[in-house]
Amino acid sequence: GDSVTQMEGPVTLSEEAFLTINCTYTATGYPSLFWYVQYPGEGLQLLLKATKADDKGSNKGFEATYRKETTSFHLEKGSVQVSDSAVYFCALPFSGGGADGLTFGKGTHLIIQP
Amino acid sequence: NAGVMQNPRHLVRRRGQEARLRCSPMKGHSHVYWYRQLPEEGLKFMVYLQKENIIDESGMPKERFSAEFPKEGPSILRIQQVVRGDSAAYFCASSLQRANTGELFFGEGSRLTVL
Repeated sequence: GDSVTQMEGPVTLSEEAFLTINCTYTATGYPSLFWYVQYPGEGLQLLLKATKADDKGSNKGFEATYRKETTSFHLEKGSVQVSDSAVYFCALPFSGGGADGLTFGKGTHLIIQP
Repeated sequence: NAGVMQNPRHLVRRRGQEARLRCSPMKGHSHVYWYRQLPEEGLKFMVYLQKENIIDESGMPKERFSAEFPKEGPSILRIQQVVRGDSAAYFCASSLQRANTGELFFGEGSRLTVL
């Protein structure tokens, strides 16, 4: 079935460091791809998305490019802040036969130190 | 426009009791999803509902768990005869369209602790 695999955490960086969180996917066809973020004690919220190959999603300084050649959707940010500390989830839709929803990776806990 | 509202935020139950979690989707959203998040694990899909219909319950345990989304009122996730392994955060999400085309909006979750 469709799935996403993301790098294990926690990832600990210093403020202003460059961030990459890897995400690869297995899917039939070319589904939309998503990154969600979960701040402590809160629910998930959409960070960015890309709907087709070679699209780049961006928001709040984060970017991710949909690469079908490598089946990847890595999340990047040039200069992280303490406020970026959160858990980040890569996701893609599953559907078919009436099913519907998003499949999430296990999440990557990002810790930014001042 | 209020977001997805879940209550209670925290619930403590003893083994064998029932847990009832409520979710009010965003206004105008007719698609509701329940997910479970266990410590150190990701989110696991449980069930997808539309008004008065369970569309996909493939992720929900067959025993003790049930969900509904009535014509009026919130969606309810019900866990009967809870066990310690049910301790988790349960998240509800809603969407205007099907999830594979649109964005899911999540509530802040209900954290169930079974003693």
